[in-house]
Amino acid sequence: ETGVTQTPRHLVMGMTNKKSLKCEQHLGHNAMYWYKQSAKKPLELMFVYNFKEQTENNSVPSRFSPECPNSSHLFLHLHTLQPEDSALYLCASSPSTADLSQPQHFGDGTRLSIL
Amino acid sequence: LAKTTQPISMDSYEGQEVNITCSHNNIATNDYITWYQQFPSQGPRFIIQGYKTKVKNEVASLFIPADRKSSTLSLPRVSLSDTAVYYCLVGTMNSGGYQKVTFGTGTKLQVIP
Repeated sequence: ETGVTQTPRHLVMGMTNKKSLKCEQHLGHNAMYWYKQSAKKPLELMFVYNFKEQTENNSVPSRFSPECPNSSHLFLHLHTLQPEDSALYLCASSPSTADLSQPQHFGDGTRLSIL
Repeated sequence: LAKTTQPISMDSYEGQEVNITCSHNNIATNDYITWYQQFPSQGPRFIIQGYKTKVKNEVASLFIPADRKSSTLSLPRVSLSDTAVYYCLVGTMNSGGYQKVTFGTGTKLQVIP
């Protein structure tokens, strides 16, 4: 139990589908992050939110749309994805984006497969 | 952004001490060094973090020399369940004022019976 819960754990979708990934943290943190981990590649940072405000979009295609309604919840809305988007999507949180002494806490991810 | 370099893989027998060294030559004054462990199909798990000298917790020790250009994660008496990928990261503040960490490819540790 990491305090960061992601649902669903597995998702298979077609390229024309619309789905959403959900992340919830129970740690009282104010910063939340989305990462993508493809096979045999390092984790890639996608989005950063601090106090519900998006502070980073790391050149992510518009078919990925994040939403952060409050500091505890983070969504990633998916639309018309491509096969190369198949990956493990990880959510993380930290007390603040500005405190380097506080590490990020990760969920166990959503394994996404695009048919 | 400080780039990290660590061995791609290591093998160790059960019960041995394992030391994984990471190079971060461009580390900045305010940067912290953090190590994570990741099992297949799980998110990375925080192991230990340090700024300088030595840090120790219930699972690992972290040695950082005075120049901070490298760090060594020490795992005492590893078991089969320690087989995982270990990432060394340097967290730094980007121009937007937030913590940014860059994951490398990590070190895949295989513990052998």
